[in-house]
Amino acid sequence: EPEVTQTPSHQVTQMGQEVILRCVPISNHLYFYWYRQILGQKVEFLVSFYNNEISEKSEIFDDQFSVERPDGSNFTLKIRSTKLEDSAMYFCASSQQGVMNTEAFFGQGTRLTVV
Amino acid sequence: AQSVTQLGSHVSVSEGALVLLRCNYSSSVPPYLFWYVQYPNQGLQLLLKYTTGATLVKGINGFEAEFKKSETSFHLTKPSAHMSDAAEYFCAVRSGYSTLTFGKGTMLLVSP
Repeated sequence: EPEVTQTPSHQVTQMGQEVILRCVPISNHLYFYWYRQILGQKVEFLVSFYNNEISEKSEIFDDQFSVERPDGSNFTLKIRSTKLEDSAMYFCASSQQGVMNTEAFFGQGTRLTVV
Repeated sequence: AQSVTQLGSHVSVSEGALVLLRCNYSSSVPPYLFWYVQYPNQGLQLLLKYTTGATLVKGINGFEAEFKKSETSFHLTKPSAHMSDAAEYFCAVRSGYSTLTFGKGTMLLVSP
């Protein structure tokens, strides 16, 4: 069964460092997403990506964040200068169409710990 | 703005008992509602969704949910809990063409 895969499963980084979280969406999907969950809080939407550009983003997704689909298979989230409050579980997801029409499939998540 | 409230961060039931996980939503547009489940060390998996039509929605693993507009609720139920149902459950509402707003999640604990 096709699935969304994320690497690494756990990343520890020092405050101020750049991190790149990687995702391989399901191959025939067109919409890609990043969500995050800070421990004990809600799963929060960060950004959606369609046709090689950002289609929607939340107010969390500020200038320190960026997304890229560098090679037609990977979908990455870059955090330029990490802060302690960026520590969270980051989920990648993909869907064939927007979420009302087709199911969004989520990866297992990358736990980011900023120290 | 859309929002979701899940009552109870943890719900404990005995195997064979009724499962009821509560979800209330707020939406400025006709709501599209979802329940996702997360098993340990796995991603979020769609259990069921309501978009339009029948208000009682059946999902996988024997779960169902009923959309009640008057109560702004979308509670998840299962008549008889199994040990394998132990997981975290997330309610979500459409908040954009391609985005979801999630609740905080409810951890379901099932005891023998």
